[in-house]
Amino acid sequence: DGGITQSPKYLFRKEGQNVTLSCEQNLNHDAMYWYRQDPGQGLRLIYYSQIVNDFQKGDIAEGYSVSREKKESFPLTVTSAQKNPTAFYLCASSIDPGQPQHFGDGTRLSIL
Amino acid sequence: GNSVTQMEGPVTLSEEAFLTINCTYTATGYPSLFWYVQYPGEGLQLLLKATKADDKGSNKGFEATYRKETTSFHLEKGSVQVSDSAVYFCALSDNTGNQFYFGTGTSLTVIP
Repeated sequence: DGGITQSPKYLFRKEGQNVTLSCEQNLNHDAMYWYRQDPGQGLRLIYYSQIVNDFQKGDIAEGYSVSREKKESFPLTVTSAQKNPTAFYLCASSIDPGQPQHFGDGTRLSIL
Repeated sequence: GNSVTQMEGPVTLSEEAFLTINCTYTATGYPSLFWYVQYPGEGLQLLLKATKADDKGSNKGFEATYRKETTSFHLEKGSVQVSDSAVYFCALSDNTGNQFYFGTGTSLTVIP
C-alpha cells in the first residue's frame, strides 16, 4: 500500500542537540510538506518542497532545516536554535501543489 | 492574506444528534476547500473537498457546500456516531497551490 511513513513516532532531544525526523513517501508525489502542530493552534507550515532539490520556507522556518535529495524523502532537522521544539510534527505530500495532501502519522518530539 | 476560521470546540454530542461545525475563510481568487479529520495520535485524513463555488463535498455521511457569497464551508452530518469522535480541520488551498491554510481544529466527542 502506498503511503507516508514518519519515524520515529516518539523522539526525545537533549538541550543543544540537533535531531532529524524522517519522512518517506511511496506515492510518487512531487510536493512534500512539514507542519508543526501545537494544542489549540492548528497546523503551521515549516517548509515545503515542490520538486527534488528545491524547497521553500513556510511560516515558521526559523530553527529548522530540510533537504530534498530524493523525490521520496524529505527529512526535517530540528536544530538547537529552535528554542521551543516540543510539538507534534506532521509530514504531508501531494501529487502536485494545491491537490489534497496525504499525511503521515506524525512524530512527537519532547525535550529532556 | 489567506486564512481559515473554525468554530471553537470542544463539541460534545449524543449519538444520532445533528452535527454542524462552522468554517469561514478569507482568500484572494478562487481557493479549493477541504475538511480533514484527525483521530488521536494519528495524522490528518482527507474527509471531503470542494473546488469551486456551489460544489458539495460528501463522504461517510458528512457534507459541506462551498458558499462563495458567505465565504463558508460548514461541515454537517445528520446523525453522528461514537466513532466520529475526532478533531476536524477546515483548510483551503490558495489559487497558486503553494500552500494550504488550516483552521485551528474543532474537537468532537460523541457520547453513547
